[in-house]
Amino acid sequence: SQKIEQNSEALNIQEGKTATLTCNYTNYSPAYLQWYRQDPGRGPVFLLLIRENEKEKRKERLKVTFDTTLKQSLFHITASQPADSATYLCALSSYNTDKLIFGTGTRLQVFP
Amino acid sequence: DAGVIQSPRHEVTEMGQEVTLRCKPISGHDYLFWYRQTMMRGLELLIYFNNNVPIDDSGMPEDRFSAKMPNASFSTLKIQPSEPRDSAVYFCASSLREGRRDTQYFGPGTRLTVL
Repeated sequence: SQKIEQNSEALNIQEGKTATLTCNYTNYSPAYLQWYRQDPGRGPVFLLLIRENEKEKRKERLKVTFDTTLKQSLFHITASQPADSATYLCALSSYNTDKLIFGTGTRLQVFP
Repeated sequence: DAGVIQSPRHEVTEMGQEVTLRCKPISGHDYLFWYRQTMMRGLELLIYFNNNVPIDDSGMPEDRFSAKMPNASFSTLKIQPSEPRDSAVYFCASSLREGRRDTQYFGPGTRLTVL
């Protein structure tokens, strides 16, 4: 069955460092991959979308890579800030459906 | 725009009771999605609509769950009868274009507790 894996353990880093989160998938050939941020008690908020034929996408301090050979996406936050502390979810979809399949998320904690 | 609106924000009910969750999508959005989030299973898609028509309900856990979208500005998710294992946070989301390649805007969620 389709499976999306994100680090279940929280990632703790110091302010100013680069945070790198991983999303691995199996038994799936996604056409699109999205990253969302979720704060406690709130709904997920869209951050970035990357297509299968794109290797990398950037938005301000955020960078996403998509390696369909390794079946992996990396999500980077450069110059991290305490305000970046949240849970980050990756989500996959294919060409023939609008169904998004979400990973369980990784909690990021940025310390001053 | 006020964003996606969900009501109620919290619902506590007893096993066997009927529960109705409500959602108002962003005006002009053609797609509406219902999700359920639990610690064990994460965020799962239950059903989604395109132009008020249900497209994929394969995520609906069983016949106790039903969803409707009578018009472009309103949708309901009903659980009848409710069970303790239905306790979760239920999110509604909408998107302007196809959900697979467009931003999905999530509501604040309804936290359901079934005793």
